[in-house]
Amino acid sequence: GAVVSQHPSWVICKSGTSVKIECRSLDFQATTMFWYRQFPKQSLMLMATSNEGSKATYEQGVEKDKFLINHASLTLSTLTVTSAHPEDSSFYICSAIDTGRNQPQHFGDGTRLSIL
Amino acid sequence: QKEVEQDPGPLSVPEGAIVSLNCTYSNSAFQYFMWYRQYSRKGPELLMYTYSSGNKEDGRFTAQVDKSSKYISLFIRDSQPSDSATYLCAMSSTGNQFYFGTGTSLTVIP
Repeated sequence: GAVVSQHPSWVICKSGTSVKIECRSLDFQATTMFWYRQFPKQSLMLMATSNEGSKATYEQGVEKDKFLINHASLTLSTLTVTSAHPEDSSFYICSAIDTGRNQPQHFGDGTRLSIL
Repeated sequence: QKEVEQDPGPLSVPEGAIVSLNCTYSNSAFQYFMWYRQYSRKGPELLMYTYSSGNKEDGRFTAQVDKSSKYISLFIRDSQPSDSATYLCAMSSTGNQFYFGTGTSLTVIP
């Protein structure tokens, strides 16, 4: 089945640093990838939709300059949390779909981000 | 009104019970329906994917879609403790934009 790999799975860093999270589709080409944020015991909150080769579409309330998304190839999207602060601590999950085949989203295993 | 409504639970059942999870929706254009299982601190895992109405069975899992009632269900037969997780329904009209339920927390007690 379709596999999405997300890395790292857990990162702890100091306030003010930038953190990059990678999302890779391992066995299919992902024309569209999504980035979500999830707080404990809450549902997924869509942050942005990224299409390969174009700028990401951010949801209302999500700061573009804070959460930089790059989708430079059909198998890789990255989310960079710039100048991270403790309030950015959360569980970030990516997903990918191959729109050419009307397939569902396949999710990565998430990245737990802890900012000290 | 939310696009997708899902009872958050929590739902607690004894091992071996049949579990019924449900979602309702308001957009009649939805035609792709999905159920995901999410364990704590993991990404959601696709369980069932259905296009349009009807039933789909995979092992102990059965997904039902009733487009006339705008209602979808996931049934789990012979539930096991390993089924304890949060179950998310999701749906889409175009295959590009997805709407998720809030998730139902399920605990199967040995």
